[in-house]
Amino acid sequence: DVKVTQSSRYLVKRTGEKVFLECVQDMDHENMFWYRQDPGLGLRLIYFSYDVKMKEKGDIPEGYSVSREKKERFSLILESASTNQTSMYLCASSPHGSEKLFFGSGTQLSVL
Amino acid sequence: GQQVMQIPQYQHVQEGEDFTTYCNSSTTLSNIQWYKQRPGGHPVFLIQLVKSGEVKKQKRLTFQFGEAKKNSSLHITATQTTDVGTYFCAVTFSGYALNFGKGTSLLVTP
Repeated sequence: DVKVTQSSRYLVKRTGEKVFLECVQDMDHENMFWYRQDPGLGLRLIYFSYDVKMKEKGDIPEGYSVSREKKERFSLILESASTNQTSMYLCASSPHGSEKLFFGSGTQLSVL
Repeated sequence: GQQVMQIPQYQHVQEGEDFTTYCNSSTTLSNIQWYKQRPGGHPVFLIQLVKSGEVKKQKRLTFQFGEAKKNSSLHITATQTTDVGTYFCAVTFSGYALNFGKGTSLLVTP
């Protein structure tokens, strides 16, 4: 089975801190994605990557950056955390193209 | 950006009743995917529809893709408490990234 692992299930940070969310997949998938999920808003795409060192902005990239130095790892970076970035962050991967996504268990981030 | 509209937002049924959620797009879709997210869990892929008018079944779940490929539905026959969760449709407008509907949260009362 495909495994997508997110480094933390719960995270509490302070406003202004730099935050790193890590995601690792073990199936040699080409594509990786970061979504945030908020009640009533569904899943919104932050960034995605279709190859190592490649990245594309999603619908809500402001305040975030990403890094993909290795194929299996995709990191989401909050340069200066703000309270409105309190959310559930979901990482996902897919083999290639627009095939089905495999999601990690999510990181619930609270910014105080 | 482009969005896919999903209705209803919430549905509360008695166990044994049927349930349907709908996804609508203003543009023609190449395909549509459906996911289920259990409370406290992460989205899990259910199915992908590609062809115009396509109908697929998974036990009590029936998925349809409209003839014009602008809408889709998920129908659950005789709901069970295990069906509780949020159902999302997801589409690709361009490139690789999936855009998700806001989801329909299903609550089933025994």
